[in-house]
Amino acid sequence: AQSVTQLDSQVPVFEEAPVELRCNYSSSVSVYLFWYVQYPNQGLQLLLKYLSGSTLVKGINGFEAEFNKSQTSFHLRKPSVHISDTAEYFCAVSGPNTGNQFYFGTGTSLTVIP
Amino acid sequence: EAQVTQNPRYLITVTGKKLTVTCSQNMNHEYMSWYRQDPGLGLRQIYYSMNVEVTDKGDVPEGYKVSRKEKRNFPLILESPSPNQTSLYFCASSFLGRSTYEQYFGPGTRLTVT
Repeated sequence: AQSVTQLDSQVPVFEEAPVELRCNYSSSVSVYLFWYVQYPNQGLQLLLKYLSGSTLVKGINGFEAEFNKSQTSFHLRKPSVHISDTAEYFCAVSGPNTGNQFYFGTGTSLTVIP
Repeated sequence: EAQVTQNPRYLITVTGKKLTVTCSQNMNHEYMSWYRQDPGLGLRQIYYSMNVEVTDKGDVPEGYKVSRKEKRNFPLILESPSPNQTSLYFCASSFLGRSTYEQYFGPGTRLTVT
């Protein structure tokens, strides 16, 4: 089975500062990688995904992530955060090599401080 | 409007009383899935389905049943709920295929079992 590790459960950051949310996964075979965002009292929304190709993936709301196969990481970054980015962020893996099962990390709570 | 709907949104029940949470999508997606979200544990997949009459166990299937008789519906059944099934449940759906894999999530069902 896969495992997904989000190294930081809570990340406070000041408004307009850069942020990085870290994600590592266990698989040594090809997987698809995802970041989802969950705003308070809502469902999850896809931020970005890596299926193949360029290792730098750009998503919505100015977020981007870099796939690093050798380090089995998929860290999420934003150069300048806004108050509205306060939310829970989840990293996930899936793909044919996992039998199309989805594995999520435990989440990182991002709090943007005015 | 493309969406995944879940009903009910909130449910309080007693141990042992059978219940069904419905999930429906209007996007003609092949893949549908149920997750539970618990504090500190992230999302864990309960069951998933890659098409009508095809279902597979996820990470935490014990105590749950599902069926996929129609493409649009994927109900979650708790035959004899127990307090450890108190959780926030999400249904999700997507097209299958490496060019997509974007899951659309429902708004969630908060279940309390006393």
